[in-house]
Amino acid sequence: EAGVAQSPRYKIIEKRQSVAFWCNPISGHATLYWYQQILGQGPKLLIQFQNNGVVDDSQLPKDRFSAERLKGVDSTLKIQPAKLEDSAVYLCASSPTGTRGEAFFGQGTRLTVV
Amino acid sequence: LAKTTQPISMDSYEGQEVNITCSHNNIATNDYITWYQQFPSQGPRFIIQGYKTKVTNEVASLFIPADRKSSTLSLPRVSLSDTAVYYCLVRTTETNDYKLSFGAGTTVTVRA
Repeated sequence: EAGVAQSPRYKIIEKRQSVAFWCNPISGHATLYWYQQILGQGPKLLIQFQNNGVVDDSQLPKDRFSAERLKGVDSTLKIQPAKLEDSAVYLCASSPTGTRGEAFFGQGTRLTVV
Repeated sequence: LAKTTQPISMDSYEGQEVNITCSHNNIATNDYITWYQQFPSQGPRFIIQGYKTKVTNEVASLFIPADRKSSTLSLPRVSLSDTAVYYCLVRTTETNDYKLSFGAGTTVTVRA
């Protein structure tokens, strides 16, 4: 079974530029999560989708971050404009409906804002 | 969501058993306890989940006392490759949104 795919793996941009990350979850998984993980910290949930509807985006900085999930499958996370403090690893995860604990994570995209 | 508290770090040696205790005093009736493992430069990986008593799989054991206010992840005979961050999460099944919130985790360092 293919895992959660993310691209790109690495990205370096200048502050005030825009960037987009892509995630392809495991086939059939209804729930999709985007996390931000700053070095030395645990992952912080940015947004959670159930199919193509948003379940929780309470920690998403909506003035600069946006996310969408097309047709309940792939998802993109965008930052515009980027700030230095956005430097982090952005993780995508998915889980099937009805799962109490097991979510599957991609390898993440490491973003460096200079 | 129930808040969890776990040690920041633990050191061990190869071949020893490592036990990480997580406190979750306000766990609710419908909550499950879940543990994830994260290696450097990788996303977290689910390792075990339980509701009460003991759960064991090929990676670890999870001990949950009757009051469920804490849980202990046990890693038997660790090796260098078990060096990782371990996260304790409490997941509610009261709603169907399956929130997954991580704390700071416990950094386990295994030495030769």
